[in-house]
Amino acid sequence: DGGITQSPKYLFRKEGQNVTLSCEQNLNHDAMYWYRQDPGQGLRLIYYSQIVNDFQKGDIAEGYSVSREKKESFPLTVTSAQKNPTAFYLCASSVPGQGLMRGGYTFGSGTRLTVV
Amino acid sequence: DQQVKQNSPSLSVQEGRISILNCDYTNSMFDYFLWYKKYPAEGPTFLISISSIKDKNEDGRFTVFLNKSAKHLSLHIVPSQPGDSAVYFCAANGKGAQKLVFGQGTRLTINP
Repeated sequence: DGGITQSPKYLFRKEGQNVTLSCEQNLNHDAMYWYRQDPGQGLRLIYYSQIVNDFQKGDIAEGYSVSREKKESFPLTVTSAQKNPTAFYLCASSVPGQGLMRGGYTFGSGTRLTVV
Repeated sequence: DQQVKQNSPSLSVQEGRISILNCDYTNSMFDYFLWYKKYPAEGPTFLISISSIKDKNEDGRFTVFLNKSAKHLSLHIVPSQPGDSAVYFCAANGKGAQKLVFGQGTRLTINP
């Protein structure tokens, strides 16, 4: 079965530490996205990538970094520069362009990051 | 600048009745709209969509209505069931756009 996998499901980080969230898909989708969910603020776009070795900043990229070395993988690093990293992080993938008009994104199950 | 707005953070409906969730948008370039459903600690799942060339799309208990002149869409669920209790996100996409724009979400609670 094709799908998109995020790991870990729960992650605790000490202040000042970097942490990397994993996102892997076997849907053969070219585009991948990282969103952050906070209560009352919906889904805010952090970074997205339309193709391997290329990615663009979203609306709230400060304090985050990504890489796209393989089509299947789009890891997100939450750096110590991110002032308020505690949130629920969602990874998604899609066929770009017209693919957004056929059901949009496929989401992973999310990672809950808590800074302790 | 919130281009897609869901002004009701929460909605409570009795089981068997109709649930109506609303969404407004400001960008006239949006031409495709989607609704997602999200349970706690899970990723959103696609529910239903509508193209701007239509004003209604129906799938079982779910119907989405689009009013382009008002830049407004709504999701109707009838009859509402306990399993419909979730957060619902409205999303929009424009021609050539590379990403969806989401609303803030509405938490729907179906009461028995």
